[in-house]
Amino acid sequence: DIQMTQSPSTLSASVGDRVTITCRASQSISSWLAWYQQKPGKAPKLLIYKASSLESGVPSRFSGSGSGTEFTLTISSLQPDDFATYYCQQYNSYSFTFGPGTKVDIK
Amino acid sequence: QVQLQESGPGLVKPSETLSLTCTVSGGSVSSGSYYWSWIRQPPGKGLEWIGYIYYSGSTNYNPSLKSRVTISVDTSKNQFSLKLSSVTAADTAVYYCARGHLAPGCFDLWGRGTLVTVSS
Repeated sequence: DIQMTQSPSTLSASVGDRVTITCRASQSISSWLAWYQQKPGKAPKLLIYKASSLESGVPSRFSGSGSGTEFTLTISSLQPDDFATYYCQQYNSYSFTFGPGTKVDIK
Repeated sequence: QVQLQESGPGLVKPSETLSLTCTVSGGSVSSGSYYWSWIRQPPGKGLEWIGYIYYSGSTNYNPSLKSRVTISVDTSKNQFSLKLSSVTAADTAVYYCARGHLAPGCFDLWGRGTLVTVSS
């Protein structure tokens, strides 16, 4: 099974900050990596798919990069609505695995 | 627009079978473009993929749950369902149904989720 890790687990930031979250896979997953945002009591929301493709309707301050085993999610200028938990998720061989999450909170 | 809605008991006794249904509205579960999935999240914890079903009935399950999971589809009712047998307290979670894509391997539409508590 492919294992996913994320760093950091918690990130304290201010509005306007540039934020980067890293996700690593235990083996190569090519570009089959998605990012989600989840707010308390809500379902996750797809932000990025195939490592770097922005889902329709998602603000352009969100971007993704990487391939193989290392990936990043970047928020170019953190907005008040962006304080949430972010999960990466891999797809390989008809199976899916999520990372443990990164909570972005107010500094 | 397409919406997903989970339904089922909120409380299940240990050793019994958890049963949930997801109703698809505004779209068709028979669409050949999607894989209909179940994902769960224990309180305060991360997300775990349970499995998916294609409209044809073909399925794939998380190996860690495979022995206890059955996912089925009812195209006439535009629904798909989850059964998880021999539940324990560790199965207490918010259960989400979601619409998935094998290419590019992600979930673009989610239900609101339903909390299922396993307790006697």
